[in-house]
Amino acid sequence: GAVVSQHPSRVICKSGTSVKIECRSLDFQATTMFWYRQFPKQSLMLMATSNEGSKATYEQGVEKDKFLINHASLTLSTLTVTSAHPEDSSFYICSAKGQGRGENGYTFGSGTRLTVV
Amino acid sequence: QKEVEQNSGPLSVPEGAIASLNCTYSDRGSQSFFWYRQYSGKSPELIMSIYSNGDKEDGRFTAQLNKASQYVSLLIRDSQPSDSATYLCAALYSSASKIIFGSGTRLSIRP
Repeated sequence: GAVVSQHPSRVICKSGTSVKIECRSLDFQATTMFWYRQFPKQSLMLMATSNEGSKATYEQGVEKDKFLINHASLTLSTLTVTSAHPEDSSFYICSAKGQGRGENGYTFGSGTRLTVV
Repeated sequence: QKEVEQNSGPLSVPEGAIASLNCTYSDRGSQSFFWYRQYSGKSPELIMSIYSNGDKEDGRFTAQLNKASQYVSLLIRDSQPSDSATYLCAALYSSASKIIFGSGTRLSIRP
């Protein structure tokens, strides 16, 4: 089956630093990547959608200069949280869709728990 | 604003009973719907997908879709303690090819 590897699973960083989260599709080409954020006891909120080789499309209210998304290849997308602050502490999850995989073909990564201290 | 709405619960059901989870969506253009299960601290996992009006059964799970009422439901028969989790309803907005999630319903199966 399709697998998306997400790293790191947990990260603790100091306020003001930047953190990079990677998502790799291991056995398929991810034409589209989605980045979600989930605060405790809340649902997944879509942050942005990225297509390989194109600029990401951000959802309303998400700062594109703070959450940098790169999708330079069909198997790798990264999310960089710049100048992180405690309010950015959350569970970040990526989801990848492969071309021709149909509407069930959205595979989620295992998530990254970010804690900013 | 495209929305998917669910009752947050918690919903408590005795072991062996049927758990019924409900969801409504706002965009009539949405054609595909999903139920995900999420354990605390974990990523969501797909349980069921449904595209056509009516029922779709898979083992102990039955998804129901009524496009006229913009309503999706999930029934879990013979509920087990391992079914205790948060269940997320999601809709695929085809115009943007993105999945939007509801707020989730916490389900607790009591022995």
